[in-house]
Formats: sequence, structure tokens, C-alpha cells
Amino acid sequence: DADVTQTPRNRITKTGKRIMLECSQTKGHDRMYWYRQDPGLGLRLIYYSFDVKDINKGEISDGYSVSRQAQAKFSLSLESAIPNQTALYFCATSDPSIGTQYFGPGTRLTVL
Amino acid sequence: QKEVEQDPGPLSVPEGAIVSLNCTYSNSAFQYFMWYRQYSRKGPELLMYTYSSGNKEDGRFTAQVDKSSKYISLFIRDSQPSDSATYLCAMSFGNEKLTFGTGTRLTIIP
Repeated sequence: DADVTQTPRNRITKTGKRIMLECSQTKGHDRMYWYRQDPGLGLRLIYYSFDVKDINKGEISDGYSVSRQAQAKFSLSLESAIPNQTALYFCATSDPSIGTQYFGPGTRLTVL
Repeated sequence: QKEVEQDPGPLSVPEGAIVSLNCTYSNSAFQYFMWYRQYSRKGPELLMYTYSSGNKEDGRFTAQVDKSSKYISLFIRDSQPSDSATYLCAMSFGNEKLTFGTGTRLTIIP
């Protein structure tokens, strides 16, 4: 089984809809991250959480919110989706001993 | 100027060739350097990890860090079609927030 899982894998929605992307991990890491990936822009950090009670904004948090329900679960919400939020979204966890990150398989989100 | 610059490619080389992938960066405080490989429609997977300057080898892959020039490289020897992917460099100060390059798309031609 994969260490970091994301649901759904693909989603098409309409402008103005609220969307939630979910992430679960079995690596036992405290630290979790949400990124979006766009062609030519690479991976950009949306939010990150160093433990259940700690939530921090990344470089592009506007229009997004997150919830850390448990050590293993970190959800990303788009309160009112807009077309320029069409992108690949990745969840990641990190190993605090060496600082590397481990990514989920991604969610392809299309906002019409 | 971006903190991390990476040529997006695409880069095409024949099977068996040596591949060189590079990134430059502007912030001398970066201490940890990583290379990720991303296959189409998949998440990035960690390929190589290096702390500070120097070389690190793992099978056909060698990572080099030159902090004086703010330049990192990934070399792939005896390249295989299965190496075709996008390669992302990443670096951090040690607080685990990574700064990524935009990725280089590599194709190995059989």
C-alpha cells in the first residue's frame, strides 16, 4: 500500500463550488504539506502543518484553506473554486531527521 | 530572479549516454539539496539527497553540489528509457520547507 494517498485522483468541478481534497499517510510523520503544480511554474507550497495544532500559510494560500484532522490526515479545501485553480495538487509528508519530503500520487483538478 | 533556476528542457538523449541535469540558486543559506524524479501522472519521488557540498553516488546516479558556485548537478550514467521523466531539483535551509526548480523533462531514446 502507498505511504501517502490522495483522494480523489481526478475531479472536474464548476466555478464557485466548494471542493475538498483529502490526504492520508501511514509514514508516521508529523509534518505534512500541500502543493500545487503548474506547467512552467513548478511546485508551489500552499499550506503546511508541523503537527496537529500547527497550520502555516505557504506562498500561495489565498483561496485555499486546510484542516489537520489527525496526525495522518490533512485536507485542502477550495472555498469557491475558480478556473485558475485548475492544476495538479500534491500532498507530502517529511522526515524530520533528514528533511526530505515524500509525495502522494496527486489530484488533477479542473475548474470549469 | 527565481531562487532556484532550472532549464525546463526538453532534453532528449540516446540510450546509454551520460545525462547531466543542473540547477543554480541564489540563496547561499541553502544547506540541503535533493533531486526528485517525476513520471507522467505521478507524484515526485526522492532520488538523491545531499547535505552541503560534495558528491554522492547511488548506482547510475551521481549528485554534485558546488556551494561556492551555487550550482548543483545530477548525472545519470548508462541512461535507460525508464529514466525518461521530469527531474526536479529542490533545496532547503534545514527547516524542511523545500524550494523547487521548475523541472527538466528528459527523454531517453532507445
